[in-house]
Formats: sequence, structure tokens, C-alpha cells
Amino acid sequence: DQQVKQNSPSLSVQEGRISILNCDYTNSMFDYFLWYKKYPAEGPTFLISISSIKDKNEDGRFTVFLNKSAKHLSLHIVPSQPGDSAVYFCAASSNFNKFYFGSGTKLNVKP
Amino acid sequence: NAGVTQTPKFRVLKTGQSMTLLCAQDMNHEYMYWYRQDPGMGLRLIHYSVGEGTTAKGEVPDGYNVSRLKKQNFLLGLESAAPSQTSVYFCASSYEVGTEAFFGQGTRLTVV
Repeated sequence: DQQVKQNSPSLSVQEGRISILNCDYTNSMFDYFLWYKKYPAEGPTFLISISSIKDKNEDGRFTVFLNKSAKHLSLHIVPSQPGDSAVYFCAASSNFNKFYFGSGTKLNVKP
Repeated sequence: NAGVTQTPKFRVLKTGQSMTLLCAQDMNHEYMYWYRQDPGMGLRLIHYSVGEGTTAKGEVPDGYNVSRLKKQNFLLGLESAAPSQTSVYFCASSYEVGTEAFFGQGTRLTVV
């Protein structure tokens, strides 16, 4: 049973608009979360992280929100650009142990 | 600075054959990982290592063996390949466990 779920396999957004990618988890012990971006034929690259002591973390156009009571995190990209088109994975860990990954959401940003 | 390098990038095996995937990192990271990525399943951890000479099982270790004889290298072995092991394999390394990892470019393995 997957402990980290990304229920939307794909998302299409117009350039300049906001992209919102969602991730749910079941293990209440998870306390550190990351987002990775993956282009075709490449390995995932780290994008942004958040610790459970925070509910928001920003890095330029990317913001991650964490709702611990709902066991939900989201990645906001504003404004979206065509170069953001990729597969986005969320990952979670507890007590700095190994990570569990979601199945990924393929984002397509249309020019 | 190459980061994490995986060899080979592509391979086709016949059922029952064996092979070894090599991962090399030049960042002096203690922690190394092998993942497999399957459609709709995300990345699943096969084995990992917390330092030279150590290995540990991940979520899906069956059918695989690993070795970490040198700090910079992490080898993934398939002793008797099965079609269920057709997947894309990613190696990763990190400075500490539970922190952001750096991934290799992946190895696409097909077992026929």
C-alpha cells in the first residue's frame, strides 16, 4: 500500500497561470517532504523541501504548502512556464529515514 | 563534476541472465540508494547503503543484491533476471539519509 499518493497523473496549465500539484500521505510520522522534477531520459532533480515544523516554504516561483492535519502537501508554481513541463514527484520520510515517493504528476504547460 | 553516473544506460537481458549495474558518485556522499521506477508506481527503494561496506534492504529487495566496496561506488546485481524486473533503475546519493538526493540519469533494463 502506497504511503505517498499523487492522485492526478497529469495536469495541463496555460503559460503564465498557476500550477498546483497535490500529494497526500498516510503515515502521520512523516516529518520531512521533498518535491523532485524529472525530465524525460533524465534522473529526478531536487526542487524544494519542507519540514513538518513549517506550513509553507518558498523558493522563487515555487511554493510548497503543508497541511499536517489533512496529511496533504501541494506545490504551487507561479507563473508557470513551458520549461516547467515535466513529471513532479513528492517524497516523504520520517525521522530522517529513507524516503517514500509518490507515483508522479506529469505537468504540461502550454505556450 | 559529474555527480552521479550510471552504467549502462540501456540493456536488454534474456530471462535467467545475470548483470550488474554500476553507480559512481564523486560528491563524497555517505549514503547511496538504488530505486526502480515503474509506470504508476513512482520510485521504489530496492537497497541502500549508509556507508562503505554497508547495505540494507529497501521496499522491494527481492531478486537483487548490492555491494558497496568503495565509498564512491554502489553496485546492483541481478543474479537471474526475470521479466518482472523490466524497469528503469535510478541510483542516487545524499550527504545524509533523509536529505535531498542527487540522482543518476537512469538505466532502462528490459528482460525478455
